[in-house]
Amino acid sequence: DAKTTQPPSMDCAEGRAANLPCNHSTISGNEYVYWYRQIHSQGPQYIIHGLKNNETNEMASLIITEDRKSSTLILPHATLRDTAVYYCIVRVGNTGNQFYFGTGTSLTVIP
Amino acid sequence: ETGVTQTPRHLVMGMTNKKSLKCEQHLGHNAMYWYKQSAKKPLELMFVYSLEERVENNSVPSRFSPECPNSSHLFLHLHTLQPEDSALYLCASSQELGGVLETQYFGPGTRLLVL
Repeated sequence: DAKTTQPPSMDCAEGRAANLPCNHSTISGNEYVYWYRQIHSQGPQYIIHGLKNNETNEMASLIITEDRKSSTLILPHATLRDTAVYYCIVRVGNTGNQFYFGTGTSLTVIP
Repeated sequence: ETGVTQTPRHLVMGMTNKKSLKCEQHLGHNAMYWYKQSAKKPLELMFVYSLEERVENNSVPSRFSPECPNSSHLFLHLHTLQPEDSALYLCASSQELGGVLETQYFGPGTRLLVL
């Protein structure tokens, strides 16, 4: 069962910030939000995760709303190599070993 | 990224063949996973191993048989597959099961075609 909602596709101009939204209105207090991306025909690549504070690493920033019902992944300066499907994932199940990837957002970075 | 490797990268097999997919992780992780990704579908979790013991089997047909001889290696043995089993098979590993230590790192996948 999907616990996240993402737009199916987005475009972003090269060099601009890409802001990818995700709704997770049923998230529980101890569930993390993870972001992965998958470039065509490759394995998914871990990007970032967070619980309630905003997070930043060398790849992206993650902004989580105060009520934790939604989040935004920000790629500050999108490049053509960032074209991929981006998955927002909330841990499913108490055993902690189920990641539901869903269908994600297909981001196309345009020259 | 060479933390998780998979071989072969591409495989074509007939329905009567027996083949094996291999996954190796160089990250010192204790948990490993097999996923299947069919065209236009989300990733489906198949099997989970922790410290070489299978902890999850998501109703996968018996024609798929996993094997985890040690925490660095994971195999998926294939026999009498069907054309609908054609897909991208992905291996992943994580430091542990549970909590934030379950961040998974994926291999490049094996593209399987069953004729």
